[in-house]
Amino acid sequence: GAVVSQHPSRVICKSGTSVKIECRSLDFQATTMFWYRQFPKQSLMLMATSNEGSKATYEQGVEKDKFLINHASLTLSTLTVTSAHPEDSSFYICSATRDSHTQETQYFGPGTRLLVL
Amino acid sequence: QKEVEQNSGPLSVPEGAIASLNCTYSDRGSQSFFWYRQYSGKSPELIMFIYSNGDKEDGRFTAQLNKASQYVSLLIRDSQPSDSATYLCAVKAAGNKLTFGGGTRVLVKP
Repeated sequence: GAVVSQHPSRVICKSGTSVKIECRSLDFQATTMFWYRQFPKQSLMLMATSNEGSKATYEQGVEKDKFLINHASLTLSTLTVTSAHPEDSSFYICSATRDSHTQETQYFGPGTRLLVL
Repeated sequence: QKEVEQNSGPLSVPEGAIASLNCTYSDRGSQSFFWYRQYSGKSPELIMFIYSNGDKEDGRFTAQLNKASQYVSLLIRDSQPSDSATYLCAVKAAGNKLTFGGGTRVLVKP
């Protein structure tokens, strides 16, 4: 159990276009979903936390108007990178938790590799 | 000072030996501690979690937690080439957010 999927797994787009990434919890209802970004040879950096039906909470330095997050249901969250630029090229990973208990782990999706040309 | 610190490595270990990974954290309010393994180009996968001081064993893995010293470690016994990966230490204070260390790259040599 606790499987998280992401789609697409890889995307290449032109500079200035928008890209949508989906994150789904397949066999559980996710009270909270998280979006991370990972640049080569660096660790995961949390971008934002989203709870179903409410606005996402963005980490300091992450532009909320550029990285739009929608958490419309307990099994689906989307991240839209608007007007993507080459510096947005990265590995985007989502995770989900089943409840808000501190001891609950996060289950990670397989990641989406974005390349902006 | 980083919130969660790990030696970046690489930690080179002969096959069959014990790999010892260390992690220190700065927030004394941290309550939950997780070790993830990440293969190159893949997302992290959970290996172990620990909440209480002491040792916790799961197969070839042992996590050790010392809250007084703000220190958590991971031991990998009988290391295999398939254990070669980056190991991420993650810490959770109150709430849901995980703070990750920079990761330790482990190389197990046959």
